[in-house]
Amino acid sequence: DVKVTQSSRYLVKRTGEKVFLECVQDMDHENMFWYRQDPGLGLRLIYFSYDVKMKEKGDIPEGYSVSREKKERFSLILESASTNQTSMYLCASSLALPYEQYFGPGTRLTVT
Amino acid sequence: QQQVKQSPQSLIVQKGGIPIINCAYENTAFDYFPWYQQFPGKGPALLIAIRPDVSEKKEGRFTISFNKSAKQFSLHIMDSQPGDSATYFCAASMLWVSNDYKLSFGAGTTVTVRA
Repeated sequence: DVKVTQSSRYLVKRTGEKVFLECVQDMDHENMFWYRQDPGLGLRLIYFSYDVKMKEKGDIPEGYSVSREKKERFSLILESASTNQTSMYLCASSLALPYEQYFGPGTRLTVT
Repeated sequence: QQQVKQSPQSLIVQKGGIPIINCAYENTAFDYFPWYQQFPGKGPALLIAIRPDVSEKKEGRFTISFNKSAKQFSLHIMDSQPGDSATYFCAASMLWVSNDYKLSFGAGTTVTVRA
């Protein structure tokens, strides 16, 4: 079974802190994604990576950056956390044709 | 703005009922329409998907109906069970960058099936 793991299920950070969210997949997938999920808004794509060291901005990249140094690992970075970044963050991975994306369990981030 | 509009936001049915979730899109470049199911505390998981050259697809008790001319598609859950209680997301996929595809998700529908 494909497994996508995220480093934390719950995280509480203070405004202005630098936050790292880690995601690891074990299926040698080329593509990895970071979404945020908010009630009434569904899943919105933050960043996408289709290869090591490659990244593309999604629909809401402002305030975020990403890093992909190894194929199995994709990190989301909040350079200076703000309260409006309080959300559920979901990581996903897929093969070259990402018709099926496999999601991790999510990290609920609270910024106070 | 969301490229895929989903309704209703929530619905409650009795066991055995048929919850119906509707989605609409405008961009004709979308060429693949999956539905994802999410249980509390879990990430979404692919449930069923359809391409626009097919008007209906069934997998078990789940059926997608697709109307290409109206740019609408819907999910029906036949003989719904309490275990089907979850949030359902419709999505649409289109070619994006580097020959890869991007999914645009609807806002989600929380379905509650009462025993």
